[in-house]
Amino acid sequence: QSALTQPRSVSGSPGQSVTISCTGTSSDVGDRDYVSWYQQHPGNAPKLIIYDVFKRPSGVPDRFSGSKSGNTASLTISGLRAEDEAEYYCCSYAGSYIFYVFGPGTKVTVL
Amino acid sequence: QVPLVQSGADVKKPGASVKVSCKASGNSFSGYYLHWVRQAPGQGLEWMGWITTNTGATTYAHKFQGRVTMSRDTSISAVYMELSGLRSDDTAIYYCATMKQLGFHWFDPWGQGTLVTVSS
Repeated sequence: QSALTQPRSVSGSPGQSVTISCTGTSSDVGDRDYVSWYQQHPGNAPKLIIYDVFKRPSGVPDRFSGSKSGNTASLTISGLRAEDEAEYYCCSYAGSYIFYVFGPGTKVTVL
Repeated sequence: QVPLVQSGADVKKPGASVKVSCKASGNSFSGYYLHWVRQAPGQGLEWMGWITTNTGATTYAHKFQGRVTMSRDTSISAVYMELSGLRSDDTAIYYCATMKQLGFHWFDPWGQGTLVTVSS
């Protein structure tokens, strides 16, 4: 059972936008701005796409954006493309006892 | 970034131990924090702990304390994760992942993963 909550799946047509929520508590997501997001295609390792809530690593398209409000972080994919079909995981720092918690993952389907 | 190359798949019997390696390809990863994250078949990601490559200091998730040991060999830029008392629910892909320094709360890059199968 994951410490963070994500929808099991979201879907959208090419060109549309989808948003994935990641809900935690005041001890993790709501505590500091240390939420990261990972994209995982089948058979591959996870890939960092967002860190510190909204920052994008070099090479990640600006179609990917992150935000946070209270205990819920969100990942938005704008201008959905076929290659965005993957599993997306959120992760949050949860203090110096638990350290890091992941969400259960959200399957993004491009219709 | 430091590409990470992990050891190959392994099959173990219940109760045995497994040791997975993670080697930096090219440059040394001195000064980095190497974390281990696992993923059971069809499941999500689970953080296991980390090792500081400079000092060898370790921090483990409470769930794995007493069963996991992380170590390093700086001469070959490698870190290791050993899990003992294997059970069927330890069957998973084990990933190493880089955290460049404390305060950088994200993992990048990741190794390719090592499948560990626990089966009698």
